[in-house]
Amino acid sequence: AQSVTQPDIHITVSEGASLELRCNYSYGATPYLFWYVQSPGQGLQLLLKYFSGDTLVQGIKGFEAEFKRSQSSFNLRKPSVHWSDAAEYFCAVGAGANAGKSTFGDGTTLTVKP
Amino acid sequence: DAGVIQSPRHEVTEMGQEVTLRCKPISGHDYLFWYRQTMMRGLELLIYFNNNVPIDDSGMPEDRFSAKMPNASFSTLKIQPSEPRDSAVYFCASSLGQGWTDTQYFGPGTRLTVL
Repeated sequence: AQSVTQPDIHITVSEGASLELRCNYSYGATPYLFWYVQSPGQGLQLLLKYFSGDTLVQGIKGFEAEFKRSQSSFNLRKPSVHWSDAAEYFCAVGAGANAGKSTFGDGTTLTVKP
Repeated sequence: DAGVIQSPRHEVTEMGQEVTLRCKPISGHDYLFWYRQTMMRGLELLIYFNNNVPIDDSGMPEDRFSAKMPNASFSTLKIQPSEPRDSAVYFCASSLGQGWTDTQYFGPGTRLTVL
């Protein structure tokens, strides 16, 4: 069975600073990886996803993520954070015969300081 | 496109009462998912459907929970009887085609409080 670990529960960065949110997965084959964002009181919104091909994936809102098979990681990055990026971020992995059953990490809460 | 629609957005009820949460997926989506989100347990998949058929309900916490999808445009999650520990935000999501490769689109959620 697949699993996802987001090691950082809470991260605080200053506006304009760079951001990296960590995600590690466990799965025996090539995973399908996702990053979602959840603003307060809202549902989850997809930022980007990786299935195959180029390991550097571009998403919406200026985010990108890099798949590193050797490290079983799919870290999310943004070069310059905006105050509106304050939210909770979820990494998810979907794979296996049980199609449709993505596993979500516990989330990382991002606080942006002015 | 209106996106995934959930109702009600907020529900406050007393312990022992029946609660029904509703979801309308995006038209044409073949997969529908019900999730529960709490501070303690994070985001949990409760059940998902493919073409209106329940595929995996292993996440349903106990027999008090049941979910149905009578047609492609409507699903319900019912809790009977409700308990305070059921208080959570319940999300419905839908996806097109092979759910595990396709994006899940989430609704705004129903915040349930059981007193």
